[in-house]
Amino acid sequence: AQTVTQSQPEMSVQEAETVTLSCTYDTSESDYYLFWYKQPPSRQMILVIRQEAYKQQNATENRFSVNFQKAAKSFSLKISDSQLGDAAMYFCAYRSAYNNNDMRFGAGTRLTVKP
Amino acid sequence: EAEVAQSPRYKITEKSQAVAFWCDPISGHATLYWYRQILGQGPELLVQFQDESVVDDSQLPKDRFSAERLKGVDSTLKIQPAELGDSAMYLCASSLAGRKDGYTFGSGTRLTVV
Repeated sequence: AQTVTQSQPEMSVQEAETVTLSCTYDTSESDYYLFWYKQPPSRQMILVIRQEAYKQQNATENRFSVNFQKAAKSFSLKISDSQLGDAAMYFCAYRSAYNNNDMRFGAGTRLTVKP
Repeated sequence: EAEVAQSPRYKITEKSQAVAFWCDPISGHATLYWYRQILGQGPELLVQFQDESVVDDSQLPKDRFSAERLKGVDSTLKIQPAELGDSAMYLCASSLAGRKDGYTFGSGTRLTVV
């Protein structure tokens, strides 16, 4: 079974600085999708960014970008120019492209943004 | 923007009582998921529906949990009897059939069993 590991339970960043959240996963599949979700306190989870395993180019969404290393099974999230509103729990998730399995989530990283 | 609706937002119940949660997915989303999220952890799947059919309920504690999606639209998750260890956030999500799509989550129901 696929597993997703986020080794940083908590991270903090100064406002306007850059922070990178780590994620590794374990799979024997060659085609899959990876996601980063943001969950602000007491609010719903929202999709931040997605990456298709067969695309070599790293996904970018405004201030959010990923560093996808397929061979290393690593999928880190970089947040540039951090803002106070970026403070949240961030979850990395894996979804197989081969079957109808659900999305597997990591344990999350709590990001604090200091003014 | 379309949303996944969940109710109630918060629920406090005594152990051994019954409790139910409701979810209305985004219109047209055939796949619906119920996840349980214990505080400080990532969500874990309880049950997955494709239209009205259960696709995966392998992690659903069937002695006390049940889920239905009778008309393939909205869904209800029930716990009877509730136990102290059931205290958690219960998240509903829906998606289109394409696997590259992420899920759209509801705001969740935070259950506290006392």
